[in-house]
Amino acid sequence: DSGVTQTPKHLITATGQRVTLRCSPRSGDLSVYWYQQSLDQGLQFLIQYYNGEERAKGNILERFSAQQFPDLHSELNLSSLELGDSALYFCASSEGSTQGAAETQYFGPGTRLLVL
Amino acid sequence: AQKVTQAQTEISVVEKEDVTLDCVYETRDTTYYLFWYKQPPSGELVFLIRRNSFDEQNEISGRYSWNFQKSTSSFNFTITASQVVDSAVYFCALSEEVNTGGFKTIFGAGTRLFVKA
Repeated sequence: DSGVTQTPKHLITATGQRVTLRCSPRSGDLSVYWYQQSLDQGLQFLIQYYNGEERAKGNILERFSAQQFPDLHSELNLSSLELGDSALYFCASSEGSTQGAAETQYFGPGTRLLVL
Repeated sequence: AQKVTQAQTEISVVEKEDVTLDCVYETRDTTYYLFWYKQPPSGELVFLIRRNSFDEQNEISGRYSWNFQKSTSSFNFTITASQVVDSAVYFCALSEEVNTGGFKTIFGAGTRLFVKA
């Protein structure tokens, strides 16, 4: 158990809908990262937040957005869902104490999203 | 641009055999970080090792060892005396700092390891 929690574990929805995935980092971690894992694209980095601020952006679609709240939990919002958005979405966290160095990221169990 | 190549899609070995998983990376940065993660059938991603670009020491941890060679841009992972519980997908990853102070991580496609009893 990494200490990172994600809810829900599974989500089934329809095309065109909007969903919110939630992540609670390990206690004390300031950085949160979001990834998408799909069969055709593999593991793709989406976005990183540090203490509420966006710090790095990957291949995140405009239909997707994220934020990190003052209590450090994070939410990933996916809107206008398409069939191709079906994937496993991982959240990871790291301490955020080492400036200028990539820290070890600890991953949550993931949220499996199925868009029908 | 960053790139991580894990050329071996699937490897199948018999228990107690040694197996090496290859990882080749591309980067223009002089400072970068390399990682290996394991994804067992249960689906979670488990951290195995982190290496920065200025530390080329090889590392051994139990049955696991890592060979980092900057000259060939490779960071290979060897499992000695493999066990059935080692069956998983193994990912190599590269992290680089971006100009906003964060880090972007690129994962390889993964190598699926089957260890047969």
